[in-house]
Amino acid sequence: GAVVSQHPSRVICKSGTSVKIECRSLDFQATTMFWYRQFPKQSLMLMATSNEGSKATYEQGVEKDKFLINHASLTLSTLTVTSAHPEDSSFYICSARLASETQYFGPGTRLLVL
Amino acid sequence: AQSVSQHNHHVILSEAASLELGCNYSYGGTVNLFWYVQYPGQHLQLLLKYFSGDPLVKGIKGFEAEFIKSKFSFNLRKPSVQWSDTAEYFCAVNPQTTSGTYKYIFGTGTRLKVLA
Repeated sequence: GAVVSQHPSRVICKSGTSVKIECRSLDFQATTMFWYRQFPKQSLMLMATSNEGSKATYEQGVEKDKFLINHASLTLSTLTVTSAHPEDSSFYICSARLASETQYFGPGTRLLVL
Repeated sequence: AQSVSQHNHHVILSEAASLELGCNYSYGGTVNLFWYVQYPGQHLQLLLKYFSGDPLVKGIKGFEAEFIKSKFSFNLRKPSVQWSDTAEYFCAVNPQTTSGTYKYIFGTGTRLKVLA
């Protein structure tokens, strides 16, 4: 149980375009989902906390207009990278919180902006 | 600021050797503690967690961790590693704040390579 999926697993886009990444909890309902960014050989940096039916809470330094988060249902959160630039290239990981204090992670999405 | 330190960035062991990975955090209040493992090309998987009670917790695949409150530590151990344990290991802390804010703070990770 507690499976989280992400789609797509890999995306390449041109600079200036927008990219949407989906995060789904497959076998449970998640009131809270999280979006992380992982740089090569570094840890996961929390970008934002996404709550179903309300606005996301962004961490300091994360541009909310750049990284749009929508949590439309208890099983789906989306991250849209708007007007992507090469510096946005990274590995984006989502997680979903189960009823306990435990997070379950998706497999990640590798974004390459040319 | 709250932080989590994993002092060993890279560890190389031979099969059957014992493993101990350090994790220290900086937060004076109550915490929930986690160890996650990321095998090559795979997503983070929960190894074990500590919320309360017995400070020695056992997880999957023969791993265990000990919470020492006085040392703000939650070290991961395994008596005998296998080649299949080659992975990156992340310690995560969930501080129980008065504001009720819930989030994880991750350590920088430790890359473990087990030689066959």
